[in-house]
Amino acid sequence: AQKITQTQPGMFVQEKEAVTLDCTYDTSDQSYGLFWYKQPSSGEMIFLIYQGSYDEQNATEGRYSLNFQKARKSANLVISASQLGDSAMYFCAMREGPWGYSTLTFGKGTMLLVSP
Amino acid sequence: GAVVSQHPSRVICKSGTSVKIECRSLDFQATTMFWYRQFPKQSLMLMATSNEGSKATYEQGVEKDKFLINHASLTLSTLTVTSAHPEDSSFYICSAIEARTSGGSPLHFGNGTRLTVT
Repeated sequence: AQKITQTQPGMFVQEKEAVTLDCTYDTSDQSYGLFWYKQPSSGEMIFLIYQGSYDEQNATEGRYSLNFQKARKSANLVISASQLGDSAMYFCAMREGPWGYSTLTFGKGTMLLVSP
Repeated sequence: GAVVSQHPSRVICKSGTSVKIECRSLDFQATTMFWYRQFPKQSLMLMATSNEGSKATYEQGVEKDKFLINHASLTLSTLTVTSAHPEDSSFYICSAIEARTSGGSPLHFGNGTRLTVT
């Protein structure tokens, strides 16, 4: 089974509108971390936001917020007031195991297109 | 903040030659680095885990003799694509964990290397 599932291959939104990118995960660990990264066409990975499995409040970073629903194992990214520069691939990822040594498991990504 | 430098950003080589990609942590020590490969419009696929001073751990299906990884110091890991072929053309990206990172710290990524084998 896939550990990270992003069901939306692409999303289209108009500038200044909010958009939600879906992410569900699968793990048997009690302690884990969930991440969202942005990858523009230039290729670099840009960290956006982090949510720990024990964090009781949803994470927020500027225009980004993470809608964490632990029982449903979902960690959707909400981008408020979309900007043209938000057009990029967005990856949801999860980190399990010992923090010092574990890598991230990525979803397949969602392409976001923001139109004027 | 922490920065990972990856070099070169782009490389074009002829089939049969070898290419070395460097990944450096600039302001922190990284006992563990990771190498990923990404095909167009696809997710990152982990190739191997590079541990300072020991042999790399390769993911299933990744040829260790073709993708040589050397993590000689706490700030440098290299990936060498040996006897490159056109099917090795891809985007390669490294990431590094700070030696004392907490559970809330993300991995730090290099900017990637676009390899084209002609």
